[in-house]
Amino acid sequence: AQSVTQLGSHVSVSEGALVLLRCNYSSSVPPYLFWYVQYPNQGLQLLLKYTSAATLVKGINGFEAEFKKSETSFHLTKPSAHMSDAAEYFCAVSERGGGADGLTFGKGTHLIIQP
Amino acid sequence: GAGVSQTPSNKVTEKGKYVELRCDPISGHTALYWYRQSLGQGPEFLIYFQGTGAADDSGLPNDRFFAVRPEGSVSTLKIQRTERGDSAVYLCASSLRGADGYTFGSGTRLTVV
Repeated sequence: AQSVTQLGSHVSVSEGALVLLRCNYSSSVPPYLFWYVQYPNQGLQLLLKYTSAATLVKGINGFEAEFKKSETSFHLTKPSAHMSDAAEYFCAVSERGGGADGLTFGKGTHLIIQP
Repeated sequence: GAGVSQTPSNKVTEKGKYVELRCDPISGHTALYWYRQSLGQGPEFLIYFQGTGAADDSGLPNDRFFAVRPEGSVSTLKIQRTERGDSAVYLCASSLRGADGYTFGSGTRLTVV
């Protein structure tokens, strides 16, 4: 069975500082991996996805993530945090591209941006 | 429509009552998914439709939960004999191709009192 672990339920960074949100997964087959962002009282918005092409994936709003098979990780980074990045971030895994088996989500990381 | 629409946005019901939650997917999206998000948790998969049929309902927690998609577009999630533990945000998503990622609706916040 697949699973996702997000280290740190809350992460606080200063505006302009590096953002690093950690995600480790377990999967019995090469996974599809996703990062989603959720703003208060809104649905989830796809930030980026890994689908077995390039291991460094660039997404929207300046975010990127690197797939590291040896570490079973898919950490999300952004070089310089902006106040508008404050939100809940979810890492998710699918073993079949999110089609037949849905996505398995982590518990989420709440990103706080300090002015 | 332009996005995935879920109605109502909020629903308060009494324990033991029956509720229906509606999802209107993006036009042309054949795949539709329901998830449940409890407070402080990530979304949990409930059921997946491909067209009119439920291709995977392994996430439904028990037989009080049921979902339909009779014409391959709008879907309704039905919960019988609601319990306080059913309180959560119910999210719907649709997709043209699963690996491309879903488009999520804003969810229905269900509160059972």
